[in-house]
Amino acid sequence: GIQVEQSPPDLILQEGANSTLRCNFSDSVNNLQWFHQNPWGQLINLFYIPSGTKQNGRLSATTVATERYSLLYISSSQTTDSGVYFCAVLLYMEYGNKLVFGAGTILRVKS
Amino acid sequence: EPEVTQTPSHQVTQMGQEVILRCVPISNHLYFYWYRQILGQKVEFLVSFYNNEISEKSEIFDDQFSVERPDGSNFTLKIRSTKLEDSAMYFCARGTSGGHYEQYFGPGTRLTVT
Repeated sequence: GIQVEQSPPDLILQEGANSTLRCNFSDSVNNLQWFHQNPWGQLINLFYIPSGTKQNGRLSATTVATERYSLLYISSSQTTDSGVYFCAVLLYMEYGNKLVFGAGTILRVKS
Repeated sequence: EPEVTQTPSHQVTQMGQEVILRCVPISNHLYFYWYRQILGQKVEFLVSFYNNEISEKSEIFDDQFSVERPDGSNFTLKIRSTKLEDSAMYFCARGTSGGHYEQYFGPGTRLTVT
């Protein structure tokens, strides 16, 4: 099956710093999503980005589908950015579809 | 406003007991999914449900699991005889239609099997 790998596994930042999270996938995918899992365990949609670049405030994401990777940029990090960041690729199956998640990047932002 | 709500938020049960986890969509959708996340691990697909029928299921989704939409609104996941390894966060998600398959997750139910 498809492999989704995220790097780095852990990241500690000082408040105000910038960071880049990476997601590599082993095969062609139909779509890709980025999520933030907050300390309460909720999965918050960040981006739905099959290709190209999108921006939302201090966050932006770029997917290069032909090279099988996606990047999530966090600028001017805040303590509330702490949590786990997952990328997930969408696979179409015979009668439906499913998301395949990476293992996540644990981000800790210190004040 | 959440896309879907889930109840209960936390359930503790004894091994061998049956549990029913509920998902309530805010509006009428056709595509639903269940995922689970064992503590500290990645989120895993369990089953997809389209137009009131199972469309795909993973190898995790064995005979002890079942899903249904009994009243056309609530969407349930039943685990017939819970095991310790069923302890996890269970997420319901709804999908969009029209070829734009972004998925939106509910807040999850934390299941603890003792």
